Amino acid sequence: DGGITQSPKYLFRKEGQNVTLSCEQNLNHDAMYWYRQDPGQGLRLIYYSQIVNDFQKGDIAEGYSVSREKKESFPLTVTSAQKNPTAFYLCATHPVAGTGPEGPQHFGDGTRLSIL
Amino acid sequence: AQSVTQLDSHVSVSEGTPVLLRCNYSSSYSPSLFWYVQHPNKGLQLLLKYTSAATLVKGINGFEAEFKKSETSFHLTKPSAHMSDAAEYFCVVSAYRDTGFQKLVFGTGTRLLVSP
Repeated sequence: DGGITQSPKYLFRKEGQNVTLSCEQNLNHDAMYWYRQDPGQGLRLIYYSQIVNDFQKGDIAEGYSVSREKKESFPLTVTSAQKNPTAFYLCATHPVAGTGPEGPQHFGDGTRLSIL
Repeated sequence: AQSVTQLDSHVSVSEGTPVLLRCNYSSSYSPSLFWYVQHPNKGLQLLLKYTSAATLVKGINGFEAEFKKSETSFHLTKPSAHMSDAAEYFCVVSAYRDTGFQKLVFGTGTRLLVSP
């Protein structure tokens, strides 16, 4: 079954702790994205990656880090430097980098992160 | 720069009555536009997309949207609301950078409430 799998569905972070959110896809899409969603706001871009071993900061990258060692995987680490991490985090993919804006992005079901 | 304004944060309708969710966009070139739907604690599901073909776009679940360049609008409609349509709806414009990176710019969302 093709799709995007985000895990865990719910995650709790203690003060001073780093946590990692997983995003795995079997759609064979080149580009992957991480978004943050807060109540009453649209999605904001944290990081994106167009190819393996390359990624770029989005609009709100401070306090976050990513890696792209495999095409299928794009984990997001929320570091202790992110002072307000409580939010809903969404991973998305796009078929082929460089094909232009026509194609939609495909989304996972998200991870909800809360502070303990 | 691209931007999106969703004119209503909440819309309430009765089951069986028409739905209208309003969206205005700003784009420096011919845009790609999308409507996504999000159910609670879920990811975003694509409803429909406009990519410079027909100006009246039909989507899933009976939704459609009309691209009006003169009004810079892309309103979402459905002739008859169903209880299962209750969700958050996002209007999205695609921005495209020289590097081939597709960036989505999200509206702040419209929550659709459907009463029996």
